Amino acid sequence: NAGVTQTPKFQVLKTGQSMTLQCAQDMNHEYMSWYRQDPGMGLRLIHYSVGAGITDQGEVPNGYNVSRSTTEDFPLRLLSAAPSQTSVYFCASGRLNTEAFFGQGTRLTVV
Amino acid sequence: KQEVTQIPAALSVPEGENLVLNCSFTDSAIYNLQWFRQDPGKGLTSLLLIQSSQREQTSGRLNASLDKSSGRSTLYIAASQPGDSATYLCAVVDPTDPNTGNQFYFGTGTSLTVIP
Repeated sequence: NAGVTQTPKFQVLKTGQSMTLQCAQDMNHEYMSWYRQDPGMGLRLIHYSVGAGITDQGEVPNGYNVSRSTTEDFPLRLLSAAPSQTSVYFCASGRLNTEAFFGQGTRLTVV
Repeated sequence: KQEVTQIPAALSVPEGENLVLNCSFTDSAIYNLQWFRQDPGKGLTSLLLIQSSQREQTSGRLNASLDKSSGRSTLYIAASQPGDSATYLCAVVDPTDPNTGNQFYFGTGTSLTVIP
């Protein structure tokens, strides 16, 4: 059972480049979400989804887009990377009011 | 906006000691509270989930309590081991939207080191 899988694990981007962080879960969870983790600030919610075709913004959505075409996948897109988006990104999935499962993270550096 | 605070930021204890990690939150109207463990360079692993109607949960050497009225939760670790060394994160879910799912507000964590 793979759980929540994030790719890539590491990425270096130049300012202005675009990329997609992939997240896939095989537990048939309806809820999926993206967080970023920065030193001294804890994890903050970027975007979330309560099911296929439904997404909404979290606390820090600017500069990021998401879509949810299937239950399994929830990619996060950076349209024009900025140094302020240097962070560790985590994808999570779960069911309502149950434990959340997190991926191993993607460490992104924007230079 | 919910704010979650964890004290202390770092803790170092000798092996075998019992210890308590603290978590406080500003809005007592939470949906649930979870404690997570994060190892360096790794993702988060859920340790215990406490529903808003519960007072505590136990798993092995771990016991988490919840006092909504005072906005506090504690994670008790009995007979600590070097393998318990990690960062422990507390997170709450607000009930402002029934579809909040896994929308967490996280604390910044307590970094625990258990010395052999």
